[in-house]
Amino acid sequence: EDQVTQSPEALRLQEGESSSLNCSYTVSGLRGLFWYRQDPGKGPEFLFTLYSAGEEKEKERLKATLTKKESFLHITAPKPEDSATYLCAAPSGNTPLVFGKGTRLSVIA
Amino acid sequence: DVKVTQSSRYLVKRTGEKVFLECVQDMDHENMFWYRQDPGLGLRLIYFSYDVKMKEKGDIPEGYSVSREKKERFSLILESASTNQTSMYLCASSLQGRSYEQYFGPGTRLTVT
Repeated sequence: EDQVTQSPEALRLQEGESSSLNCSYTVSGLRGLFWYRQDPGKGPEFLFTLYSAGEEKEKERLKATLTKKESFLHITAPKPEDSATYLCAAPSGNTPLVFGKGTRLSVIA
Repeated sequence: DVKVTQSSRYLVKRTGEKVFLECVQDMDHENMFWYRQDPGLGLRLIYFSYDVKMKEKGDIPEGYSVSREKKERFSLILESASTNQTSMYLCASSLQGRSYEQYFGPGTRLTVT
């Protein structure tokens, strides 16, 4: 069964303390890996698309990378406004997107 | 600006009631999706539609049906609501050929008592 697994479940950082979130997948014939951000009380918001191993995408303090088995979302010098739940997702069979359970990031000033 | 709206932010219904959740998008998107989101289970796809009057089952369609009579509107129907359908329901839309880049509405928190 195709799976998308995220770790850690929750992460608490001090402002400026860089770290990485992990998304591992066991999807046969990967057709892309996608990152979303979800703020409390809102729907997820699309961040990045990654299609091939070695690919990187950046947006402000966020950088997403992809290997053959996992993706990382690197957060450099985070600010409190980066606090959110970060979701990764991948297509699986006829399902357009299967989401991981997310990493809840808290950045403390 | 891209916008997906859902008819209610909060809804309380009784067991056995028929429940309609409405979703409207103003982006002329071909694809629309319904998810539910539960703590510890994440986002799970209920139904999706690639065109008017078309529907496809997602991963958890049991107990739900959908209707898409117009391109901009996608309705989720709970034929006979049960307490295990208490959840946050999220609607999303995307362009044809870009089903992975989805735009989500704010969600409807449904409580079935």
